[in-house]
Parts: sequence; C-alpha cells; structure tokens
Amino acid sequence: DAKTTQPNSMESNEEEPVHLPCNHSTISGTDYIHWYRQLPSQGPEYVIHGLTSNVNNRMASLAIAEDRKSSTLILHRATLRDAAVYYCILRDQRSTDSWGKLQFGAGTQVVVTP
Amino acid sequence: NAGVMQNPRHLVRRRGQEARLRCSPMKGHSHVYWYRQLPEEGLKFMVYLQKENIIDESGMPKERFSAEFPKEGPSILRIQQVVRGDSAAYFCASSPKGGNTEAFFGQGTRLTVV
Repeated sequence: DAKTTQPNSMESNEEEPVHLPCNHSTISGTDYIHWYRQLPSQGPEYVIHGLTSNVNNRMASLAIAEDRKSSTLILHRATLRDAAVYYCILRDQRSTDSWGKLQFGAGTQVVVTP
Repeated sequence: NAGVMQNPRHLVRRRGQEARLRCSPMKGHSHVYWYRQLPEEGLKFMVYLQKENIIDESGMPKERFSAEFPKEGPSILRIQQVVRGDSAAYFCASSPKGGNTEAFFGQGTRLTVV
C-alpha cells in the first residue's frame, strides 16, 4: 500500500472546525482513503473512507482532491472528545479479504482547547 | 451487538512467563487481526487469521509469538517467555468477509512485563 504524510499535530479551539490534511502522492487508482482515530488509552476507531468523491457521515467529512494525491478530513465542530490521534491510511480495494490489515503511520495528534 | 471484546484489559507478567491474550470478534465476523503498539509508537500489524487458518503473519516476531483462531472460541495471541520489550498494548480487530468496510477494534490488552 502507498504511504501517507500527515502533520505531527494540530490545535483547535472547541466548537471550531478542524481540517486535517493528508498527502498521498503515490496513491494508485484502486486505493481507498481511510481515516481512523485513536482516543487516549483506546483502540482505533473508524472515522470515514472514500475513493474519489467527497464523503460525509455523522462524524466527519472527507474532501478528496481531484488528482487524489491529497485529502482532508474535516471535523465540523471540534469537541473535547475529538482530541485523538488521527490516521490517514490507504487500502487497496482489491484486497477485499484482508480489509483489516492496515498500515498505520504516526498520524496527527489533534489537541482541542476549551 | 457487542463490539470486539478483548481480555484481560491489563496483564502483568514476570520475565520468562507466558502471556495469553484473548479476542472475541464481533458477531458474524470471521476475520481477526492483531496489532501491537509499543510505548510512544504507532500500531504495527502482526497477524491476520480466519477461522482455523493463519492467512498473513508477516508482522509476527519469528520466535515466542503465536496466534490461533479456533473453530470455536476466541482468537488467542500467545507470547512465550516474555521479556521487558514485549510490554505494549495489543489490539485486536475484526471484519466481516468481503471488502470495502471498516475494521472494528477492541479496547486492547496492556501487557506489562516486570
């Protein structure tokens, strides 16, 4: 799977939007972009994923660049509970039987201040 | 629908003892994955199992570590003759057969070797 690059950390004020960038310049045409987050002392938690079109769910939005070489996870109104490490991960859609095998990088530590 | 259950949550072992970590996947999930997170490091894939089969063990240390997922019962990650460097959080994830879905993680087992 291709690699991703994320900033080490980002800060946000509570109730402000957070935009988390991810670069994946070597992405292939069959790679899905997945986002997971890990709250302190907990297991990772799925956030969202997409292939080409922007995606929205109750947790976040995923904006994917037209050339797919980058994407941005958007938390619309950060809460203290959103303080976590956010991981951007590429998964080859052809690997349908090993969907849980994920290559985690260092991720972005999101700090939310009241 | 209960999530991925791991037990124990915390495990303390003396050097040279054996550690057994258990993981019950979500109902209906036939794929199990184990990850290790060393202190201040990212999650690293260890092994991927389906019922009674090891599919991918490319991340497993060559010695002392083994995993199984029997026809009945939870998946077991076994570490023989533990050393201090085995101290880490071990996470289990499960996914259903087929692709394009999320992986569900347990809360982890924190192993401390004294």
